[in-house]
Amino acid sequence: EVQMLESGGGLVQTGGSLRLSCAASGFIFSTYAMNWVRQAPGKELEWVSTIFTVDTTLHADSVKGRFTISRDNSKNTLYLQMNGLRAEDTAVYYCAKWLDSRGSIYDHWGQGTLVTVSS
Amino acid sequence: EIVLTQSPATLSLSPGERATLSCRAGQSISNSLAWYQQKPGQAPRLLIYDASNRAAGIPARFSGSGSGTDFTLTISSLESEDFAVYYCQQCSKWPVTFGGGTKVEIK
Repeated sequence: EVQMLESGGGLVQTGGSLRLSCAASGFIFSTYAMNWVRQAPGKELEWVSTIFTVDTTLHADSVKGRFTISRDNSKNTLYLQMNGLRAEDTAVYYCAKWLDSRGSIYDHWGQGTLVTVSS
Repeated sequence: EIVLTQSPATLSLSPGERATLSCRAGQSISNSLAWYQQKPGQAPRLLIYDASNRAAGIPARFSGSGSGTDFTLTISSLESEDFAVYYCQQCSKWPVTFGGGTKVEIK
């Protein structure tokens, strides 16, 4: 059974940093592109970052230069380093895996971790 | 980026009724569209991908159609567990984008 468990969320001041983790199991982690998707309170979903199997990364313009996605295939873990946090980064952050190599179809999601940025 | 517009924002229906949800893309995305269901406090759940393929374990009352710019998610007969928010998402071009959601509520 595929499982993904996020951790690392919490309350942080504006300008601060957090590192989110997503521990995955039940599938061959190293063979799937992995992603972070966030959802601000009461808002729609927003793609944040993707890391491919060869460690190529993509980030949304809204987080480019501040957030860094990475992975450790030996630990089956996905990360999101978030620096320079802003109030508008307040959201539940989900990790999600691709269905397969055809593209960004997210077939499994973690339960999410809440990040609150406050002054 | 490709904007996805979902309508209506809210759909008020009774159990057993048919639900028809719309998603319109700002430019052609071929069939690169997925639908997700989200219940309060839960992560999204993949329902449909490639516009019309049901994901694993999704009941047959859920169906998707469309291509290009206009897409539809149909729930043939609403069950109590289907009352939720539904999002469409395009994976044709980066960045991946989601629609604003349609809430299906009990009338």
